[in-house]
Amino acid sequence: EAGVAQSPRYKIIEKRQSVAFWCNPISGHATLYWYQQILGQGPKLLIQFQNNGVVDDSQLPKDRFSAERLKGVDSTLKIQPAKLEDSAVYLCASSLAPNQPQHFGDGTRLSIL
Amino acid sequence: EDQVTQSPEALRLQEGESSSLNCSYTVSGLRGLFWYRQDPGKGPEFLFTLYSAGEEKEKERLKATLTKKESFLHITAPKPEDSATYLCAVNSGGSNYKLTFGKGTLLTVNP
Repeated sequence: EAGVAQSPRYKIIEKRQSVAFWCNPISGHATLYWYQQILGQGPKLLIQFQNNGVVDDSQLPKDRFSAERLKGVDSTLKIQPAKLEDSAVYLCASSLAPNQPQHFGDGTRLSIL
Repeated sequence: EDQVTQSPEALRLQEGESSSLNCSYTVSGLRGLFWYRQDPGKGPEFLFTLYSAGEEKEKERLKATLTKKESFLHITAPKPEDSATYLCAVNSGGSNYKLTFGKGTLLTVNP
């Protein structure tokens, strides 16, 4: 089966600019997650969707980050405006259900100049 | 607050030299402990889920065990292709399965 697809793979922007990431989960997976992974750290959950509803966004910096999952399939994560500390890899993961293993995409590496 | 601490931060082994990675955790009511492998430039790859103390899971040269305070990932006769970062995570969100990850252990296996 096809894995979790993410694009772009790399993105370089200047601070205060906007950026968006796209994720296509594994077919049939109802649960979708966005993580931020800073170099040398483990992934940190930003937001969790169940179908197209938000389950947990407690660690999402809502003043600059937003995410949506239209029709319960694809998802986008947006940062506006970006700060230097947002430089990280943004990982998308999906699972059949919350109690099933999460499968990760290869992420988008974001560099802020 | 749930915490996951992995040690050592980095481990260098010779091919065939067995060892163990440690994951200690504090969580209010463990609902699952997860091990992932992450290669450079890739997303984490799921390895194991453990739910209760005394449980063990095996996959090729890897065996994961769980106690009430920590988990070990035992690597038997490792090969260079086992080189990767190994991440441990605990479910800290109850039925929502919100994962809290440790920083990982970078394993290098030299031929």
